Amino acid sequence: KAGVTQTPRYLIKTRGQQVTLSCSPISGHRSVSWYQQTPGQGLQFLFEYFSETQRNKGNFPGRFSGRQFSNSRSEMNVSTLELGDSALYLCASSLAILEGTQYFGPGTRLTVL
Amino acid sequence: DQQVKQNSPSLSVQEGRISILNCDYTNSMFDYFLWYKKYPAEGPTFLISISSIKDKNEDGRFTVFLNKSAKHLSLHIVPSQPGDSAVYFCAASTGSNYQLIWGAGTKLIIKP
Repeated sequence: KAGVTQTPRYLIKTRGQQVTLSCSPISGHRSVSWYQQTPGQGLQFLFEYFSETQRNKGNFPGRFSGRQFSNSRSEMNVSTLELGDSALYLCASSLAILEGTQYFGPGTRLTVL
Repeated sequence: DQQVKQNSPSLSVQEGRISILNCDYTNSMFDYFLWYKKYPAEGPTFLISISSIKDKNEDGRFTVFLNKSAKHLSLHIVPSQPGDSAVYFCAASTGSNYQLIWGAGTKLIIKP
C-alpha cells in the first residue's frame, strides 16, 4: 500500500506570494491533518479534515486554509507569505477521526525569501 | 502554553546502553500518548503508544512508561542501536478531541 505523498517536496517563494501544497493520504484513510514544523517548536497543528469537513483547527491566522476533496486528497493554502512561514509542512493521514495513529508524508519544505 | 514538554533538546547515548527519553504534560485530560520517530527529510513514523489505563507498554526494544500522578511519560530503548539516532516526539490527545498535541522533540544520538 502506498504511503502518504506530498507535493511538491521543496518550494521557494517570496514574501507576499501565495502557495498551495498537496497531500494524498493512504488509500482508505479519510482523515488528513496538517502540521507546521519549525526548529525547536515541534509540530504545530494546523487543521484536520475528515470527509471533506474541517473538524479541528489549530491556532494559526486565517492566511492558512485548507480543503479536502471527495477522494480524501487535501490541499493547504497559505496566502500573503511571510518570512516566518518558512518551515516543513507535514501531512498525516489516519483511518478515522478517532484513530490515534497517524501516518506522515515526507513533508514539503517551504522557504520564503 | 506548552501542554506537552520535552525538556531535553538532545541526548547522547553509547551504543548498546539504554536510552531514556522523557516527556511531561500538563493537561490531566490527556488519555492517549504516542511516541514518533523522525529521520531528517522524512515525516515522523509511529513508534509506540499507551493509553491512560495502562502504566507500561512494550514493543520489542521499546517500552513506554506512564506515570499519571506525575504527568510524566518516558520511552526506554534497550539496547540502543545506531539506527535509533533520530528526533523523537511525544504526543498526547484526549478521547473527546482527536487533535494531537506535540512536544518539541528530543534528538537522540547513538555513539558507536
